[in-house]
Amino acid sequence: GENVEQHPSTLSVQEGDSAVIKCTYSDSASNYFPWYKQELGKGPQLIIDIRSNVGEKKDQRIAVTLNKTAKHFSLHITETQPEDSAVYFCAASIKGSQGNLIFGKGTKLSVKP
Amino acid sequence: NAGVTQTPKFQVLKTGQSMTLQCAQDMNHNSMYWYRQDPGMGLRLIYYSASEGTTDKGEVPNGYNVSRLNKREFSLRLESAAPSQTSVYFCASTRRGEDTGELFFGEGSRLTVL
Repeated sequence: GENVEQHPSTLSVQEGDSAVIKCTYSDSASNYFPWYKQELGKGPQLIIDIRSNVGEKKDQRIAVTLNKTAKHFSLHITETQPEDSAVYFCAASIKGSQGNLIFGKGTKLSVKP
Repeated sequence: NAGVTQTPKFQVLKTGQSMTLQCAQDMNHNSMYWYRQDPGMGLRLIYYSASEGTTDKGEVPNGYNVSRLNKREFSLRLESAAPSQTSVYFCASTRRGEDTGELFFGEGSRLTVL
């Protein structure tokens, strides 16, 4: 089955710097790659996603890149702010798997003012 | 719209006790899911229901049962709780049944088994 590896497990940056979180997946049939943000005491919330027919997607300060050949995808956050501090999860899903997502283990991002 | 509502938010059980976690969504979604979240383990799928009337096992189904009561509600039951089931449980739902779309999560239910 699908396996998703996420690195790093913790990341600390200064406010205004960029943050990059990387994930690899094992099943070449995976075609959907979302990123979720989880704030303390809350459920995860989708922040951006990408499908396998696209190489990059941006939404203001957040971008995701996908390399299908290497089977990895990354989350890029530019001009980080203290409110970006949270746990971020990547995930992967296979078409026809009835929406089942396999999640990475998470990255705790801390943005220092 | 409340989105996905889970009850209870906190529960303490003794080993061997049973309990049911309730989940309801008001977004007319077809698919519903139960995940557990443990430190350093991410989110792991316990059971899911792709549509009303169907349920299937996920990655870690042992020790749990589920019921899709109707389109809105999906419950998770622990028949005989064990300390290994101490975790935070999240219910989620999504509109699509066959392909993948955005999952909407509840705020979680923190369960401690002594």
